[in-house]
Amino acid sequence: DAMVIQNPRYQVTQFGKPVTLSCSQTLNHNVMYWYQQKSSQAPKLLFHYYDKDFNNEADTPDNFQSRRPNTSFCFLDIRSPGLGDAAMYLCATSRARGEAIQETQYFGPGTRLLVL
Amino acid sequence: AQSVTQPDIHITVSEGASLELRCNYSYGATPYLFWYVQSPGQGLQLLLKYFSGDTLVQGIKGFEAEFKRSQSSFNLRKPSVHWRAAAEYFCAVAPTGTASKLTFGTGTRLQVTL
Repeated sequence: DAMVIQNPRYQVTQFGKPVTLSCSQTLNHNVMYWYQQKSSQAPKLLFHYYDKDFNNEADTPDNFQSRRPNTSFCFLDIRSPGLGDAAMYLCATSRARGEAIQETQYFGPGTRLLVL
Repeated sequence: AQSVTQPDIHITVSEGASLELRCNYSYGATPYLFWYVQSPGQGLQLLLKYFSGDTLVQGIKGFEAEFKRSQSSFNLRKPSVHWRAAAEYFCAVAPTGTASKLTFGTGTRLQVTL
């Protein structure tokens, strides 16, 4: 059974055209994360939500925004995609914060973004 | 800040052979340690994790890893590799008390020959 679902699996957009990637989870986890993974590189954390509390990483560009309308869904918005934003975007969840076992992250299959 | 190094970018083993993937970390105390596997075009799947206690950790798919504090290492092992194990393997570290702050290594790509 899918637990962290990402749609679409592949997304093509044009340079400068806003794009939204979505993530949903059936785990009822409190924390949701977005990572960017460029080709042959390690995943890099962009931001995460603890419930509705948004936590941005210091080096995440302003071009990247996120929304979490409810526990199950989280969106990644790229306001003006550049060629350098082509990557795999991974969503992850964890049950809570504050105790290691609860903070273990579970990943979705990712959305591969292509910018033309 | 913590960091993690996976010295081997690419490893090739024969099916049925044993496997060891290396991971070294840098952190002032004992961190939380993880191994994830990523099949082509897929997300990351958690293989195993270490928080504290027994330094030999058992995971899914027959993998195990051993935490060695003296060597700052957390190497992943499997006694006999199947061709389906071909994938990218990532070691990750998080500071004690904040397992949400994962830092990943650059990964080791495993190829399995028949």
